[in-house]
Amino acid sequence: GAGVSQSPRYKVAKRGQDVALRCDPISGHVSLFWYQQALGQGPEFLTYFQNEAQLDKSGLPSDRFFAERPEGSVSTLKIQRTQQEDSAVYLCASSLVSHNEQFFGPGTRLTVL
Amino acid sequence: QQQVKQSPQSLIVQKGGISIINCAYENTAFDYFPWYQQFPGKGPALLIAIRPDVSEKKEGRFTISFNKSAKQFSLHIMDSQPGDSATYFCAASRGSTLGRLYFGRGTQLTVWP
Repeated sequence: GAGVSQSPRYKVAKRGQDVALRCDPISGHVSLFWYQQALGQGPEFLTYFQNEAQLDKSGLPSDRFFAERPEGSVSTLKIQRTQQEDSAVYLCASSLVSHNEQFFGPGTRLTVL
Repeated sequence: QQQVKQSPQSLIVQKGGISIINCAYENTAFDYFPWYQQFPGKGPALLIAIRPDVSEKKEGRFTISFNKSAKQFSLHIMDSQPGDSATYFCAASRGSTLGRLYFGRGTQLTVWP
C-alpha cells in the first residue's frame, strides 16, 4: 500500500523567503510527527499531531515555524523568513496510534541560500 | 542534552562478519527502543524494536540485546552483507510524550565485499 509521501522532495529558498512543506500520511493513521534532520545527525522532533489537534510543539525551534493538520490527514509545515540554519531534511512520520511504530516519508531537503 | 548516545559513529565490517552498534540512555521512563535503517536520500525505515520486558529480540540476521540495569541496548547484524551498508539510528520513546522519538546520532556502516 501507499506509504508516507512528502512534497516537494527538494526545495531551494533564498534567505527571507517563506516555504511550505507537505506531508501525506498513511491513510487512517491518527498520529503524525515532524522531525528535522541536519546533515550527519539523527532526526530531531519538531511537533506532533493527533488527528487535527497539535498536542506537542515543543520541538519547533522558533516562532517562524508553524505546522497544521486542519482535517486530520494532510499536514503542512511552514517556515517563515527562512534562515541558513534552517537548511536540513524535514521528515514526516505517521503511526496508527501514538507510541507505536512510526513510518517515515522520504523527507524534503531544504536548502536556504 | 542528547537523550540517547550512540557509538561508534562509523563502522567498517567485512562481508560475513558481525556488526555491533551500541546505545545508552539515561531516562528510565523510556519503554520502547527501535532501530532504524536509513539509505541516502530515503527516510528512516524501522528495522527491529524492543520493549524493556525482554532482554533480547531476534529477527532474521538482526538482534537487539537490551540491558535494563545498565540502561544500554545494542544492535547485532550477523553475516553482514554489502546491502546492509547504510546509516543506523537507535531511538527511544515513552508513553508520556505520546511516542516522540529521541534518536541517537547514527552509525554509518560500510560492509566490504
